Amino acid sequence: NAGVTQTPKFRVLKTGQSMTLLCAQDMNHEYMYWYRQDPGMGLRLIHYSVGEGTTAKGEVPDGYNVSRLKKQNFLLGLESAAPSQTSVYFCASSRTQTWSEQYFGPGTRLTVT
Amino acid sequence: AQKITQTQPGMFVQEKEAVTLDCTYDTSDPSYGLFWYKQPSSGEMIFLIYQGSYDQQNATEGRYSLNFQKARKSANLVISASQLGDSAMYFCAMRENDGNNRKLIWGLGTSLAVNP
Repeated sequence: NAGVTQTPKFRVLKTGQSMTLLCAQDMNHEYMYWYRQDPGMGLRLIHYSVGEGTTAKGEVPDGYNVSRLKKQNFLLGLESAAPSQTSVYFCASSRTQTWSEQYFGPGTRLTVT
Repeated sequence: AQKITQTQPGMFVQEKEAVTLDCTYDTSDPSYGLFWYKQPSSGEMIFLIYQGSYDQQNATEGRYSLNFQKARKSANLVISASQLGDSAMYFCAMRENDGNNRKLIWGLGTSLAVNP
């Protein structure tokens, strides 16, 4: 039981390049989330999904796209990376119960030069 | 306006002593939940404790307890008998009962350093 995993752990991109971050969970959770964490800014929600085939915008969705084709996977895409997207990205998932906590992946450190 | 406020950017505590990390929240929803997470220097986010707005008793989990004062809208985390491994960032988060999305609203965190 691996919980929530994220691929890759580190990545350096040049401005304008694209990439996809993969999140996978093996807990059969319905809900999945992508956050970014920047110094002094706490965690900010980028996009989330309330079930397979669904996605919704969070607090800071611009410049990102997501897909949830399979229940266990939640992909975060950057079509044209910008230096402002340099951050640590966390994926999380949670159970259906209203007050379930979120389980987090280990994070992906992305640098855009 | 901030919905979750953690007023202490940094805290120090001596090993084996207790420490309280402050969290105040703002909501008009009578049904909500409050969560505390720990983020050590390794970066992972670790769930510590949960308090529901209708829970009659303060939540406790081992050395962690939540001092929940509903009228004051505060949900302070108390760590008893601090250990060196407690040095980390601590985040308070709130979920309002605003539908089906299960979103959390996060505070900016408090950095705790435990001194030997």
